[in-house]
Amino acid sequence: EVQLVESGGGLVQPGRSLKLSCAASGFTFSNYYMAWVRQAPKKGLEWVATISTSGSRTYYPDSVKGRFTISRDNAKSSLYLQMNSLKSEDTATYYCARPLGHFDYWGQGVMVTVSS
Amino acid sequence: DIRMTQSPASLSASLGETVNIECLASEDIYSDLAWYQQKPGKSPQLLIYNANSLQNGVPSRFSGSGSGTQYSLKINSLQSEDVATYFCQQYNNYPNTFGAGTKLELK
Repeated sequence: EVQLVESGGGLVQPGRSLKLSCAASGFTFSNYYMAWVRQAPKKGLEWVATISTSGSRTYYPDSVKGRFTISRDNAKSSLYLQMNSLKSEDTATYYCARPLGHFDYWGQGVMVTVSS
Repeated sequence: DIRMTQSPASLSASLGETVNIECLASEDIYSDLAWYQQKPGKSPQLLIYNANSLQNGVPSRFSGSGSGTQYSLKINSLQSEDVATYFCQQYNNYPNTFGAGTKLELK
């Protein structure tokens, strides 16, 4: 059974940093691209980042480019999202997801609140 | 960026009824379109991919159709467990983009 379990969320002040983690199991992690998708409270879904199988290629929307960094450790079957220079508009539930174009598996999500 | 316009924003229907949700892309996405169901407090679940392919384990009362810029999700014989918010997503181009969602409630 595929499982994606996020951790590392919490309350952080504007301008500070936070790193999210996602532990994957139930599939060969190193064979798949991985991604982060977020959802602001009572809002829709926004794709945040995607990383290739080896980690050599990464993709971001303009809203987070230069501030967020996606990375992975295939030996640990783990995905990460380093978030710097956080803004109030980054407040959201962050989901780890497996992209095949569409996202076939999602984690349960972790809440990030950016507030002073 | 490709804009996904989803309609209606909310919908009220009776048990057993057939429901249709539409998604309009701002340009041709060549059937690179997925539908998700999200229940309150839960993560999204994939229903349909490639516009009309049913994800494993999803009931057959769900179906997808469309091409080019116009797509739809159909739910036949609405069940109580179908109460949720539904989102479309295009993956033809980066950035992947989602519709704003359709909240489905029981009448």
